[in-house]
Amino acid sequence: AQRVTQPEKLLSVFKGAPVELKCNYSYSGSPELFWYVQYSRQRLQLLLRHISRESIKGFTADLNKGETSFHLKKPFAQEEDSAMYYCALSDRSARQLTFGSGTQLTVLP
Amino acid sequence: GAGVSQSPSNKVTEKGKDVELRCDPISGHTALYWYRQSLGQGLEFLIYFQGNSAPDKSGLPSDRFSAERTGGSVSTLTIQRTQQEDSAVYLCASRVTSGGTGELFFGEGSRLTVL
Repeated sequence: AQRVTQPEKLLSVFKGAPVELKCNYSYSGSPELFWYVQYSRQRLQLLLRHISRESIKGFTADLNKGETSFHLKKPFAQEEDSAMYYCALSDRSARQLTFGSGTQLTVLP
Repeated sequence: GAGVSQSPSNKVTEKGKDVELRCDPISGHTALYWYRQSLGQGLEFLIYFQGNSAPDKSGLPSDRFSAERTGGSVSTLTIQRTQQEDSAVYLCASRVTSGGTGELFFGEGSRLTVL
């Protein structure tokens, strides 16, 4: 069974500080990992996916198969980054996208 | 429409009543998902539809929950004999095809409150 763990329900950082949202997964095959974000009063939306190896809004995430992690990082947090962040996992043939329990990020001024 | 549309946006009901939640996916998206979003619980997978294939119902929490998708488009999630623990935001999402790296597009959700 596939599982996604986000150990931090709440995370607060000051503006300009680095931020790391942790995500660990459990899956026996070759996973595909995603980060979704939900800003206040907005829909849940895709932030980034590991296969694209992209940086979106200054965020990056590296898949570490040895540690089964996909942590989301940003070197300098901004107030507009405050949101709920969900890590998600899918395999290439799976029909399910399994989400973690989410981390509420608050960036303080 | 331009995005996934869900209705009603808010529903307050009494314990024991039945409710229906509707989802209209993005045109052309063959895959449709229902998730439940509860405070502190994250997103809980409920059910998945892909084209004309049999739905994956493995996430439905009890037999009070059911869903259908007519004509490969609009989907209805039905909760019978609602209980207070059913209170949550029910999210619908669609994507072009199943599996792989396709992005899920979410609706704004239906907030259900069971009194």
